[in-house]
Amino acid sequence: DAGVTQSPTHLIKTRGQQVTLRCSPKSGHDTVSWYQQALGQGPQFIFQYYEEEERQRGNFPDRFSGHQFPNYSSELNVNALLLGDSALYLCASSLGYVWDTEAFFGQGTRLTVV
Amino acid sequence: GIQVEQSPPDLILQEGANSTLRCNFSDSVNNLQWFHQNPWGQLINLFYIPSGTKQNGRLSATTVATERYSLLYISSSQTTDSGVYFCAVDRRASGTYKYIFGTGTRLKVLA
Repeated sequence: DAGVTQSPTHLIKTRGQQVTLRCSPKSGHDTVSWYQQALGQGPQFIFQYYEEEERQRGNFPDRFSGHQFPNYSSELNVNALLLGDSALYLCASSLGYVWDTEAFFGQGTRLTVV
Repeated sequence: GIQVEQSPPDLILQEGANSTLRCNFSDSVNNLQWFHQNPWGQLINLFYIPSGTKQNGRLSATTVATERYSLLYISSSQTTDSGVYFCAVDRRASGTYKYIFGTGTRLKVLA
């Protein structure tokens, strides 16, 4: 049973560029959440996708956008990259239609903006 | 919104020692998990424990939901236990689908 997979694992981009990160959820899961983790901090919630729609959004600017596909996989897009966007981006999958659900995280994508 | 606090923030142990990590949360929760973040950044699931007690080898956890805290016990610590331990909670039934993470406990186990 494949767990949550993210790609790529590492990425270097230049300020002002755009980036797309990808996530495939654990088999059987239908919900994908994205988190940003800056160095030395805990993960911060970006947004959650369920039934191909953004169900909840954290305190991130509109430069951060996402998408969920019919197979439940998801993309995170960041436009007009800033140096401060350098972080570890984590994807989590869970079940969206129950209150009690365990979340599983991918290995993360480490983004460096130069 | 709900606040999550972890203590202690840092912990240094000799190999073989036992430790207790604490997570306090400010409101009722639907889901609570303990994670170990390895040096490469991956969050490893330790326990899904919104209430009750669970054990897995040298690790065990207890959540007292009515008193809004959870404890993670590590016995006979090993150097491989080093890393950051996070507690995370959500309140789905109240519309908070996101996991809110505590500030973490950074554990270093010395050989």
